[in-house]
Amino acid sequence: ETGVTQTPRHLVMGMTNKKSLKCEQHLGHNAMYWYKQSAKKPLELMFVYSLEERVENNSVPSRFSPECPNSSHLFLHLHTLQPEDSALYLCASSQGGAGLTNYGYTFGSGTRLTVV
Amino acid sequence: KQEVTQIPAALSVPEGENLVLNCSFTDSAIYNLQWFRQDPGKGLTSLLLIQSSQREQTSGRLNASLDKSSGRSTLYIAASQPGDSATYLCAVGNNDMRFGAGTRLTVKP
Repeated sequence: ETGVTQTPRHLVMGMTNKKSLKCEQHLGHNAMYWYKQSAKKPLELMFVYSLEERVENNSVPSRFSPECPNSSHLFLHLHTLQPEDSALYLCASSQGGAGLTNYGYTFGSGTRLTVV
Repeated sequence: KQEVTQIPAALSVPEGENLVLNCSFTDSAIYNLQWFRQDPGKGLTSLLLIQSSQREQTSGRLNASLDKSSGRSTLYIAASQPGDSATYLCAVGNNDMRFGAGTRLTVKP
């Protein structure tokens, strides 16, 4: 158990569906992140939340909408996705955040998303 | 923008060999460098974290070094085992960690 739990593990959705990915961390960290991992590409940073405030959005299309209701939970809401959005979506957390020293990331196991 | 490169992209060695994985980055003003392991279809497992004031970290058979001035880090694996087979990723940054594409390691029995 990594301390960062992601659900669901696998998700298949149609292009007109709306779904949400959930991430929960049990480590007392104050920063959370969404990354996208596509085949044969490096991990891409999507969103950064520090102390529940979004501090970075890496030009991610608006069909991806993050939500961080508290420091332990992070969601990624999905709507009208494209087949090229199929990927492994990874959540991470850390202690530290914007302007603070970061003590390393802990990752969840990811959600394998397939858009059909 | 920070760019991270890992060489080689893939490596195959016989069991028992010592090996070195390389990571280079373009912006030397970093806070942290972290090495991860990823098994196929799984999340990332942290191996070692080197903070900017440190030069190396060790955990068991793993040793990671950091040379900020040259923009390089190495991960040394001693006495490799088949269970070490995985993709090894390095990441650089603070609250905006940027990743290399990884080195896929295969250790043959």
